[in-house]
Amino acid sequence: QVQLQESGSGLVKPSQTLSLTCTVYGASISSSSYYWSWVRQLPGEGLEWIGYIFYTGGTNTNPSLRSRLTMSVDPSKNQISLQLRSVTAADTAVYYCARIAENRGWFDPWGQGTLVTVSS
Amino acid sequence: IRMTQSPSTLSASVGDRVTMTCRASQSISSDLAWYQQKPGKAPSLLIYGASGLKSGAPSRFSGSRAGTEFTLTISSLQPDDFATYYCQQYTTYPYTFGQGTKLEIE
Repeated sequence: QVQLQESGSGLVKPSQTLSLTCTVYGASISSSSYYWSWVRQLPGEGLEWIGYIFYTGGTNTNPSLRSRLTMSVDPSKNQISLQLRSVTAADTAVYYCARIAENRGWFDPWGQGTLVTVSS
Repeated sequence: IRMTQSPSTLSASVGDRVTMTCRASQSISSDLAWYQQKPGKAPSLLIYGASGLKSGAPSRFSGSRAGTEFTLTISSLQPDDFATYYCQQYTTYPYTFGQGTKLEIE
């Protein structure tokens, strides 16, 4: 059974960088059959796709966040990472990692999510 | 692509048949998924390809498509079904979600 687990800083100051890691259990992140994605959920609101990364390091990201975003993959640790620079209160959200099968577009499964609060 | 779900809130009782809708602002073929989310939990995939039921998901859930309008139907509501439901299109980047339909106990 594939499981994903997010970890990282729960509190970030405005203008600083948000950093999160997603560890994958039960599957190899180096599989050519899957992409590994980030999705966030703003408080009381809907869901926003952030982007995804392939094991080769190739990415596809949401243009609304692209200029502040870095995604990376570490196959040796079976992890992906997210960095979002110059954060504001508007970046306060629950951040999820999720898997997408190649040539598909739906997210399954999801991690349990981690709340990141941007506040001084 | 904008995804618009209706209604925002739906009140129903155990045993009811319920339907909720998701409309895409342009053609997305059948590239639509439905998710269920319970409070404090991550979304969970129910339907993909507009009408494909995820393996292990209850058969009382079904999805359909009519042009750019998509429907999620629960044939007989169970207590475990009270949750928020989201649709998502994956035909065009960026992937986008609807704002959700909250299914409440009447």
